[in-house]
Amino acid sequence: KAGVTQTPRYLIKTRGQQVTLSCSPISGHRSVSWYQQTPGQGLQFLFEYFSETQRNKGNFPGRFSGRQFSNSRSEMNVSTLELGDSALYLCASSSQGGDNEKLFFGSGTQLSVL
Amino acid sequence: DQQVKQNSPSLSVQEGRISILNCDYTNSMFDYFLWYKKYPAEGPTFLISISSIKDKNEDGRFTVFLNKSAKHLSLHIVPSQPGDSAVYFCAASVNSGYSTLTFGKGTMLLVSP
Repeated sequence: KAGVTQTPRYLIKTRGQQVTLSCSPISGHRSVSWYQQTPGQGLQFLFEYFSETQRNKGNFPGRFSGRQFSNSRSEMNVSTLELGDSALYLCASSSQGGDNEKLFFGSGTQLSVL
Repeated sequence: DQQVKQNSPSLSVQEGRISILNCDYTNSMFDYFLWYKKYPAEGPTFLISISSIKDKNEDGRFTVFLNKSAKHLSLHIVPSQPGDSAVYFCAASVNSGYSTLTFGKGTMLLVSP
């Protein structure tokens, strides 16, 4: 079974631009979550999607958005990029996204904002 | 406010000895705890978990201990191996219907031969 796939692996953008990151969950998994990892803050929850609906959202500004498609693939978008958005963005999938389910993470997209 | 804290940014241990990684939490609603391991350029991988109804869970060389009254959990690795060198994240979740995790900032473990 293929794991969680994230594309692109690396991305360089400049301030003010927008970016779209893609995530393909493990086959059969319907829940997709996004996390931001920075050296100072560790992993912070962005949002979670299940059956094309956002069920939960972390404490991030509205510049961060996402969506999920009918095949469970997900994208996240960051608009008006700021230097502080430079981070590793991790996608994780689970079967139903329910309590006590393990999350399976992709390798992440490393975003650098110049 | 950081709800899950890993106060040791790094830990160095010799091969064959015990590694003890610690984690404290402040939210008494947390009822499920996990440890993830992360190598550079890879995503975190699940290591071991424990429910709040237990105080210990063991899986091979890895044991997690939970002290609810102290809001403290620890991961013991015995014996430590050089391949265990990685960043270890402690995570917790509330029984809310969603598998949303709150992570600590991680502890980098270095196991030397």
